[in-house]
Amino acid sequence: EEQLLESGGGLLQPGGSLRLSCAASGFTFRSYAMSWVRQAPGKGLEWVSTVTGNSEVTYYADSVKGRSTISRDNSKNTLYLQLNNLRAEDTAIYYCARVLIRYFDLWGRGTLVTVSS
Amino acid sequence: EIVLTQSPATLSLSPGERATLSCRASQSVSSYLAWYQQKPGQAPRLLIYGASNRATGIPARFSGSGSGTDFTLTISSLEPEDFAVYYCQQRGDWPLTFGGGTKVEIK
Repeated sequence: EEQLLESGGGLLQPGGSLRLSCAASGFTFRSYAMSWVRQAPGKGLEWVSTVTGNSEVTYYADSVKGRSTISRDNSKNTLYLQLNNLRAEDTAIYYCARVLIRYFDLWGRGTLVTVSS
Repeated sequence: EIVLTQSPATLSLSPGERATLSCRASQSVSSYLAWYQQKPGQAPRLLIYGASNRATGIPARFSGSGSGTDFTLTISSLEPEDFAVYYCQQRGDWPLTFGGGTKVEIK
């Protein structure tokens, strides 16, 4: 079964950092671009970042550009998101998603990140 | 950035009725549009991609149409499990963007 499982969320302080992980299974991980999409409580979906299968190219939303890094380890079938200088507006469920021609065809269950003092 | 505007915000219908959801783009995205369904407490699920192609395992009662700036998701006859929030998403240009969502609720 194809599956994505996020981890690394929790309660974090403003100005702090987080590193989210997404473990993939059931498909050839290196063959797909991967993304992070977030959803603030009670709000809609916001694309955050995408990395190509070979890590050659990365894309970022303006809201996180300059303070985030998306990366992957194809030997571990794992996707990562490092987000620094956390703000209250980063509070959201962070979903890992597989990318199929820039659509998101497989989603994890998400991990909740709360930024609060 | 391409802005997607979905309407209506809420659609109140009964099981068996037809649902018509709209997504309008601020500039042409050709046919590069997808639709997702999200139920409470769950991750989104891809329903339609390329404006009109059903994703794997999606029932035939879901159909998509449109191109350029105007798109429609139609649910021909609502089943109880179809009451959810629906989002459109464009892949015509970076950044990838989503619409604000349409909630389909039971009347």
